[in-house]
Amino acid sequence: AQSVAQPEDQVNVAEGNPLTVKCTYSVSGNPYLFWYVQYPNRGLQFFLKYITGDNLVKGSYGFEAEFNKSQTSFHLKKPSALVSDSALYFCAVRLPLSGSARQLTFGSGTQLTVLP
Amino acid sequence: DGGITQSPKYLFRKEGQNVTLSCEQNLNHDAMYWYRQDPGQGLRLIYYSQIVNDFQKGDIAEGYSVSREKKESFPLTVTSAQKNPTAFYLCASKPTAGGGTGELFFGEGSRLTVL
Repeated sequence: AQSVAQPEDQVNVAEGNPLTVKCTYSVSGNPYLFWYVQYPNRGLQFFLKYITGDNLVKGSYGFEAEFNKSQTSFHLKKPSALVSDSALYFCAVRLPLSGSARQLTFGSGTQLTVLP
Repeated sequence: DGGITQSPKYLFRKEGQNVTLSCEQNLNHDAMYWYRQDPGQGLRLIYYSQIVNDFQKGDIAEGYSVSREKKESFPLTVTSAQKNPTAFYLCASKPTAGGGTGELFFGEGSRLTVL
């Protein structure tokens, strides 16, 4: 069975400071890893993904995520936070050969609040 | 513009009533999905469909039903058998059901409140 853990329900950071939203996973094999973002009362939006290759994945708005196989982590980071980054962030994992989205597992989400 | 349209955005229901949530996509995607979102619990898969006229139960299918008569449409019915239906419901689609590196595309969600 595969699982995703987002150990922090809430992350608060001051504007201009670096931010990290943590994600660890448990899966047999080499996973595909995703970050999605959700704004209040909206659907999820795809943010970035790791499939293969460079462990550092760059996304939009200065975000990046680092795949660390030895620590089974895929933390989302940004060097300087903006108030507009405030949102609910979901990490998700899927095995490459899985046949359907039934095999896509989401974490419980982390609410990021950037304080002005 | 291509995308997924969910309706209604907000819905109130009395106990004992069935309600149907609409999900329409014009992305020409084969696979469609319904998720339920509750605070602090992430997303849980209700039903999914990989092709027209076919669908499978997800992890929390009890009290729900779906149909997939057209590629573009995947309505979800919340029946009176669903014990705790108040939640935010999300529809999603994906170009193909099998494998691939593609991500899910989500609608804007429907918030159901049982009075």
